Amino acid sequence: GAVVSQHPSWVICKSGTSVKIECRSLDFQATTMFWYRQFPKQSLMLMATSNEGSKATYEQGVEKDKFLINHASLTLSTLTVTSAHPEDSSFYICSSSNVGQGNSYEQYFGPGTRLTVT
Amino acid sequence: AQRVTQPEKLLSVFKGAPVELKCNYSYSGSPELFWYVQYSRQRLQLLLRHISRESIKGFTADLNKGETSFHLKKPFAQEEDSAMYYCALRAGSNYKLTFGKGTLLTVNP
Repeated sequence: GAVVSQHPSWVICKSGTSVKIECRSLDFQATTMFWYRQFPKQSLMLMATSNEGSKATYEQGVEKDKFLINHASLTLSTLTVTSAHPEDSSFYICSSSNVGQGNSYEQYFGPGTRLTVT
Repeated sequence: AQRVTQPEKLLSVFKGAPVELKCNYSYSGSPELFWYVQYSRQRLQLLLRHISRESIKGFTADLNKGETSFHLKKPFAQEEDSAMYYCALRAGSNYKLTFGKGTLLTVNP
């Protein structure tokens, strides 16, 4: 299956700083990438849908100025948490949609990034 | 708006026992339903989808439009089936997935 990586796997930052998380599709071209947030023992909440070369579409309640998403190429999307606060501490997961033939645009998930804001 | 409900947060069975993880959905159109699994310390991965009508690792799931359900079943649970299971729905041409809250399955020896 397709492989999606995330970097870093975990990060600790101080309140007020910004953190960038990378999501890469390693062996396929992903026109669409999704960013999720997962709280402990809870489900994945979609934050935004990122299409290569265009602005991300954010879900209701997600601050676009706080969670900056860039999808500059078919293999890389980045999520930047700006002016991080302790309540932004969470597990962030990306997924990539494989633009192939007959695969009904299956999503492949990254391993996630644990963000802790102190 | 679509919604996915997994009524059981935790499910514990003994090895060899049948297991059924429940999933109900609400959506006015024709959705695509999926089951994803997350083993301990691993990433989320697709287990099966309703359009494939296949059995993966002994698991099956049938879409019941009348009951708006997509329950996941396995006749004989194995210890290695212990994991977090998420039911997910994709609506129409929108490729977004809506996830249920997940059920943690524990298969005891």
